[in-house]
Amino acid sequence: GAGVSQSPSNKVTEKGKDVELRCDPISGHTALYWYRQSLGQGLEFLIYFQGNSAPDKSGLPSDRFSAERTGGSVSTLTIQRTQQEDSAVYLCASSLEWAGGNEQFFGPGTRLTVL
Amino acid sequence: AQSVAQPEDQVNVAEGNPLTVKCTYSVSGNPYLFWYVQYPNRGLQFLLKYITGDNLVKGSYGFEAEFNKSQTSFHLKKPSALVSDSALYFCAVRDMGNSGYALNFGKGTSLLVTP
Repeated sequence: GAGVSQSPSNKVTEKGKDVELRCDPISGHTALYWYRQSLGQGLEFLIYFQGNSAPDKSGLPSDRFSAERTGGSVSTLTIQRTQQEDSAVYLCASSLEWAGGNEQFFGPGTRLTVL
Repeated sequence: AQSVAQPEDQVNVAEGNPLTVKCTYSVSGNPYLFWYVQYPNRGLQFLLKYITGDNLVKGSYGFEAEFNKSQTSFHLKKPSALVSDSALYFCAVRDMGNSGYALNFGKGTSLLVTP
Protein backbone atom coordinates (compact mmCIF):
# COMPACT_ATOMS: atom_id res chain seq x y z
CA GLY A 1 0.00 0.00 0.00
CA ALA A 2 0.86 3.63 -0.19
CA GLY A 3 1.31 4.09 3.53
CA VAL A 4 1.06 2.46 6.92
CA SER A 5 -2.49 1.43 7.72
CA GLN A 6 -3.99 0.65 11.11
CA SER A 7 -7.27 -0.84 12.21
CA PRO A 8 -9.59 -0.16 13.80
CA SER A 9 -9.37 3.62 13.75
CA ASN A 10 -11.36 3.79 16.97
CA LYS A 11 -11.98 1.20 19.65
CA VAL A 12 -14.13 1.58 22.73
CA THR A 13 -13.97 -1.24 25.23
CA GLU A 14 -14.89 -1.99 28.79
CA LYS A 15 -12.35 -2.28 31.56
CA GLY A 16 -11.07 -5.83 31.82
CA LYS A 17 -11.65 -6.78 28.18
CA ASP A 18 -8.88 -7.73 25.76
CA VAL A 19 -8.25 -5.73 22.58
CA GLU A 20 -6.25 -6.33 19.42
CA LEU A 21 -4.87 -3.53 17.29
CA ARG A 22 -3.57 -4.18 13.79
CA CYS A 23 -0.85 -2.56 11.73
CA ASP A 24 0.00 -3.03 8.05
CA PRO A 25 3.42 -1.51 7.31
CA ILE A 26 4.62 -0.12 4.03
CA SER A 27 5.55 -2.89 1.65
CA GLY A 28 9.29 -3.57 1.78
CA HIS A 29 9.80 -2.01 5.19
CA THR A 30 11.43 -4.52 7.48
CA ALA A 31 11.41 -2.41 10.64
CA LEU A 32 8.14 -1.89 12.52
CA TYR A 33 7.50 0.12 15.68
CA TRP A 34 4.59 0.63 18.05
CA TYR A 35 4.21 3.87 20.03
CA ARG A 36 1.57 5.16 22.40
CA GLN A 37 0.46 8.78 22.42
CA SER A 38 -1.46 10.07 25.41
CA LEU A 39 -2.15 13.47 26.89
CA GLY A 40 0.62 14.58 29.16
CA GLN A 41 2.87 11.67 28.20
CA GLY A 42 3.78 12.54 24.66
CA LEU A 43 4.91 9.68 22.46
CA GLU A 44 6.12 6.55 24.23
CA PHE A 45 7.96 3.74 22.50
CA LEU A 46 6.42 0.33 23.07
CA ILE A 47 8.04 -2.32 20.89
CA TYR A 48 10.20 -2.76 17.79
CA PHE A 49 10.46 -5.54 15.21
CA GLN A 50 13.25 -5.97 12.67
CA GLY A 51 13.01 -8.84 10.22
CA ASN A 52 13.36 -12.19 11.95
CA SER A 53 15.30 -10.82 14.90
CA ALA A 54 13.94 -10.96 18.43
CA PRO A 55 11.80 -7.89 19.07
CA ASP A 56 12.85 -5.11 21.39
CA LYS A 57 10.10 -5.14 24.03
CA SER A 58 11.78 -2.70 26.37
CA GLY A 59 9.00 -0.12 26.13
CA LEU A 60 6.04 -2.34 26.96
CA PRO A 61 4.51 -0.92 30.17
CA SER A 62 3.31 -4.20 31.65
CA ASP A 63 2.91 -7.89 30.91
CA ARG A 64 -0.65 -7.18 29.80
CA PHE A 65 0.84 -5.81 26.59
CA SER A 66 2.18 -8.08 23.88
CA ALA A 67 2.78 -7.87 20.15
CA GLU A 68 3.57 -10.16 17.30
CA ARG A 69 4.52 -9.77 13.70
CA THR A 70 3.56 -12.52 11.31
CA GLY A 71 5.53 -13.22 8.16
CA GLY A 72 7.60 -10.12 8.63
CA SER A 73 4.68 -7.91 7.67
CA VAL A 74 1.43 -7.38 9.59
CA SER A 75 1.70 -6.75 13.31
CA THR A 76 -0.86 -7.08 16.09
CA LEU A 77 -0.64 -5.33 19.44
CA THR A 78 -2.70 -7.06 22.13
CA ILE A 79 -3.70 -5.52 25.42
CA GLN A 80 -5.17 -7.95 27.93
CA ARG A 81 -7.46 -6.98 30.80
CA THR A 82 -7.57 -3.36 29.69
CA GLN A 83 -7.41 -0.59 32.26
CA GLN A 84 -8.58 3.00 31.99
CA GLU A 85 -4.98 4.21 31.91
CA ASP A 86 -4.52 2.27 28.67
CA SER A 87 -6.73 4.84 26.92
CA ALA A 88 -4.52 6.50 24.31
CA VAL A 89 -3.78 6.66 20.62
CA TYR A 90 -1.65 3.73 19.52
CA LEU A 91 0.60 4.55 16.58
CA CYS A 92 2.40 2.13 14.34
CA ALA A 93 5.39 3.11 12.20
CA SER A 94 7.62 1.36 9.71
CA SER A 95 10.95 2.07 8.09
CA LEU A 96 13.47 0.50 5.79
CA GLU A 97 15.84 -1.92 7.47
CA TRP A 98 16.99 -0.44 10.69
CA ALA A 99 19.63 2.22 10.48
CA GLY A 100 19.69 5.12 12.85
CA GLY A 101 19.10 7.69 10.16
CA ASN A 102 16.11 6.07 8.47
CA GLU A 103 12.94 8.03 9.05
CA GLN A 104 9.88 6.25 10.31
CA PHE A 105 6.55 6.48 8.53
CA PHE A 106 3.53 6.54 10.79
CA GLY A 107 0.03 5.20 10.39
CA PRO A 108 -3.05 7.21 11.39
CA GLY A 109 -3.31 5.48 14.73
CA THR A 110 -5.97 3.61 16.70
CA ARG A 111 -7.75 5.63 19.36
CA LEU A 112 -8.46 3.31 22.29
CA THR A 113 -10.97 4.30 24.94
CA VAL A 114 -11.36 2.10 27.98
CA LEU A 115 -14.55 2.77 29.92
CA ALA B 1 20.59 8.71 27.84
CA GLN B 2 18.95 10.76 25.15
CA SER B 3 16.26 13.39 25.47
CA VAL B 4 14.55 16.17 23.60
CA ALA B 5 13.08 19.41 24.91
CA GLN B 6 10.56 21.58 23.14
CA PRO B 7 10.36 24.56 25.46
CA GLU B 8 7.20 26.08 23.99
CA ASP B 9 3.84 24.36 24.30
CA GLN B 10 2.36 26.76 21.75
CA VAL B 11 3.66 29.17 19.14
CA ASN B 12 1.43 31.79 17.58
CA VAL B 13 2.38 33.58 14.38
CA ALA B 14 0.56 35.65 11.78
CA GLU B 15 0.28 34.34 8.26
CA GLY B 16 3.15 35.53 6.11
CA ASN B 17 5.52 36.01 9.03
CA PRO B 18 8.51 33.76 9.66
CA LEU B 19 8.07 30.99 12.19
CA THR B 20 10.44 29.15 14.50
CA VAL B 21 9.67 26.09 16.60
CA LYS B 22 12.43 25.37 19.08
CA CYS B 23 14.07 22.07 19.92
CA THR B 24 17.07 21.20 22.05
CA TYR B 25 18.47 17.75 22.58
CA SER B 26 20.77 15.80 24.83
CA VAL B 27 22.70 12.73 23.71
CA SER B 28 25.93 11.14 24.79
CA GLY B 29 27.21 10.79 21.23
CA ASN B 30 26.28 12.35 17.92
CA PRO B 31 22.59 12.77 17.12
CA TYR B 32 20.21 11.84 14.40
CA LEU B 33 17.51 14.54 14.53
CA PHE B 34 14.02 14.55 13.04
CA TRP B 35 10.98 16.80 12.79
CA TYR B 36 7.47 15.45 12.39
CA VAL B 37 4.12 17.22 12.03
CA GLN B 38 0.76 15.92 13.21
CA TYR B 39 -2.53 17.26 11.90
CA PRO B 40 -5.72 16.65 13.93
CA ASN B 41 -6.73 12.99 14.08
CA ARG B 42 -3.84 11.99 11.86
CA GLY B 43 -0.59 10.15 12.35
CA LEU B 44 2.80 11.80 12.38
CA GLN B 45 4.17 12.99 9.06
CA PHE B 46 7.92 13.21 8.43
CA LEU B 47 9.21 16.71 7.61
CA LEU B 48 12.99 16.54 7.61
CA LYS B 49 16.04 15.04 9.26
CA TYR B 50 19.65 15.76 10.08
CA ILE B 51 22.10 12.90 9.79
CA THR B 52 25.39 14.49 8.85
CA GLY B 53 26.74 17.13 6.51
CA ASP B 54 25.28 20.59 6.05
CA ASN B 55 23.86 22.07 9.20
CA LEU B 56 20.92 23.58 7.31
CA VAL B 57 18.46 20.91 6.29
CA LYS B 58 15.56 21.55 3.93
CA GLY B 59 12.40 19.48 4.07
CA SER B 60 8.79 19.26 3.00
CA TYR B 61 6.36 22.18 2.61
CA GLY B 62 9.09 24.83 2.72
CA PHE B 63 10.31 23.93 6.19
CA GLU B 64 13.95 23.90 7.14
CA ALA B 65 15.94 23.29 10.31
CA GLU B 66 19.39 24.25 11.46
CA PHE B 67 21.58 21.88 13.42
CA ASN B 68 23.69 23.72 15.97
CA LYS B 69 26.05 21.40 17.78
CA SER B 70 27.41 23.96 20.23
CA GLN B 71 23.91 24.91 21.36
CA THR B 72 22.58 21.35 20.97
CA SER B 73 19.63 22.75 19.08
CA PHE B 74 17.65 21.83 15.99
CA HIS B 75 15.08 24.59 15.53
CA LEU B 76 12.44 24.27 12.82
CA LYS B 77 11.91 27.33 10.64
CA LYS B 78 9.85 28.58 7.75
CA PRO B 79 10.29 31.99 6.10
CA SER B 80 6.58 32.64 5.54
CA ALA B 81 3.90 30.85 7.55
CA LEU B 82 0.62 29.61 6.11
CA VAL B 83 -2.64 29.06 7.97
CA SER B 84 -2.45 25.45 6.81
CA ASP B 85 0.80 25.03 8.78
CA SER B 86 -1.24 25.07 11.98
CA ALA B 87 -0.58 21.69 13.58
CA LEU B 88 1.36 19.89 16.30
CA TYR B 89 5.11 19.62 15.70
CA PHE B 90 7.39 17.03 17.24
CA CYS B 91 11.16 16.99 17.40
CA ALA B 92 12.85 13.60 17.85
CA VAL B 93 16.37 12.35 18.43
CA ARG B 94 18.30 9.13 18.27
CA ASP B 95 21.85 8.83 19.56
CA MET B 96 24.12 7.43 16.84
CA GLY B 97 25.98 5.44 19.43
CA ASN B 98 22.87 4.15 21.14
CA SER B 99 21.82 0.62 20.44
CA GLY B 100 18.20 1.44 21.13
CA TYR B 101 15.82 1.47 18.23
CA ALA B 102 13.20 3.98 19.25
CA LEU B 103 13.04 7.64 18.49
CA ASN B 104 12.89 9.83 21.58
CA PHE B 105 10.23 12.49 21.00
CA GLY B 106 9.70 15.86 22.55
CA LYS B 107 6.34 16.73 24.08
CA GLY B 108 5.28 18.61 20.96
CA THR B 109 4.64 22.26 20.12
CA SER B 110 1.28 23.45 18.87
CA LEU B 111 1.67 25.97 16.06
CA LEU B 112 -1.20 28.35 15.37
CA VAL B 113 -1.00 30.53 12.28
CA THR B 114 -3.64 33.25 12.18
CA PRO B 115 -4.88 34.95 9.01
